[in-house]
Amino acid sequence: SAVISQKPSRDICQRGTSLTIQCQVDSQVTMMFWYRQQPGQSLTLIATANQGSEATYESGFVIDKFPISRPNLTFSTLTVSNMSPEDSSIYLCSVRVLAGNEQFFGPGTRLTVL
Amino acid sequence: AQRVTQPEKLLSVFKGAPVELKCNYSYSGSPELFWYVQYSRQRLQLLLRHISRESIKGFTADLNKGETSFHLKKPFAQEEDSAMYYCALRSTSGSRLTFGEGTQLTVNP
Repeated sequence: SAVISQKPSRDICQRGTSLTIQCQVDSQVTMMFWYRQQPGQSLTLIATANQGSEATYESGFVIDKFPISRPNLTFSTLTVSNMSPEDSSIYLCSVRVLAGNEQFFGPGTRLTVL
Repeated sequence: AQRVTQPEKLLSVFKGAPVELKCNYSYSGSPELFWYVQYSRQRLQLLLRHISRESIKGFTADLNKGETSFHLKKPFAQEEDSAMYYCALRSTSGSRLTFGEGTQLTVNP
């Protein structure tokens, strides 16, 4: 298994500002992902964080809005840039482990944009 | 394209009654199917996956390729089963996990 921590757990931000969310895993994992869960909706994949290279974004998500870093096998950051109220959501880090090929989720970061 | 449909957003049953959470999918290849559960104030966690063919907390799910379904069942629901349940699909060759809309299960005493 993998234990995932995220910082911050929640934040309230002003429109136009940016927030960086950190994800730390307690073991080396094969893949790291970032998801968004908007109020009352399901999880939507934003991007796959690739170690040492640019993230792979899903349709509808762009690097300028959601820059992602993954400097090593156990850490990644997601930045929500130039925020608007529509970005209010829970952002989840997820990892896939080699053993068992299972996917685990972090506790999420609840973001509110005013 | 991958798509997962959970037709019921809300499902309410009484304790001891059977429960079935429906999940249908569309995918042209061979999928891996999962059920994830999120209890109140807890993180999303894997409940079961079709390739394991095991029963977790009394829940089972059978992949029906003919009907493209992966319904979650439990013969006798318990109050502690109350949670949000998500069905998810991943291609066997891919990494992308696609989630359904989720079903909020409430088990009443």
